[in-house]
Amino acid sequence: GENVEQHPSTLSVQEGDSAVIKCTYSDSASNYFPWYKQELGKRPQLIIDIRSNVGEKKDQRIAVTLNKTAKHFSLHITETQPEDSAVYFCAASKDSGGSNYKLTFGKGTLLTVNP
Amino acid sequence: DTEVTQTPKHLVMGMTNKKSLKCEQHMGHRAMYWYKQKAKKPPELMFVYSYEKLSINESVPSRFSPECPNSSLLNLHLHALQPEDSALYLCASSQDKGANSPLHFGNGTRLTVT
Repeated sequence: GENVEQHPSTLSVQEGDSAVIKCTYSDSASNYFPWYKQELGKRPQLIIDIRSNVGEKKDQRIAVTLNKTAKHFSLHITETQPEDSAVYFCAASKDSGGSNYKLTFGKGTLLTVNP
Repeated sequence: DTEVTQTPKHLVMGMTNKKSLKCEQHMGHRAMYWYKQKAKKPPELMFVYSYEKLSINESVPSRFSPECPNSSLLNLHLHALQPEDSALYLCASSQDKGANSPLHFGNGTRLTVT
């Protein structure tokens, strides 16, 4: 089955700096890569996703890049703010015709943005 | 505001109790999920329902019993749980169960088994 590795497990940055979280996946057939943000005591929320036919996607201060050859994808947050502090999970899945769709999560990165 | 509503928010139950967790969505999504999340860990998939039929059971112990009464509702019936079952139980929905359908999570039920 799919295996997703996520690094680092914790990341501390100063407000205004950039933050980068990296994930690798094992199944070359995976074609969908979402990122979820989970604030303390709250639900995971989708913040951005990318599909395998795209190399990069950006939404304001957040961007995701995908390297299919190397099987890794990264989340980039620019101009970080204290409200960006949360646990971030990457995930991967493949569309196998709808029969056994399963999202495999990385272990998460605790991002702390210091004012 | 979340579009997936879960009740109760908190639940404390003894090992001999029977209780149910409830989940509701009105987005017209046809796939619904139960996840279990332990502290500082990612969500773990338990069950997937697609078009009101059980599609995936991730080898979950029989003390957890899912039910999908209709396309908007998903229940998780709990019986004879163990203390190690204490966790945050998250319901999620998606347009369908394919990889083109992002998951929308509810706020979860925090379960404590005593």
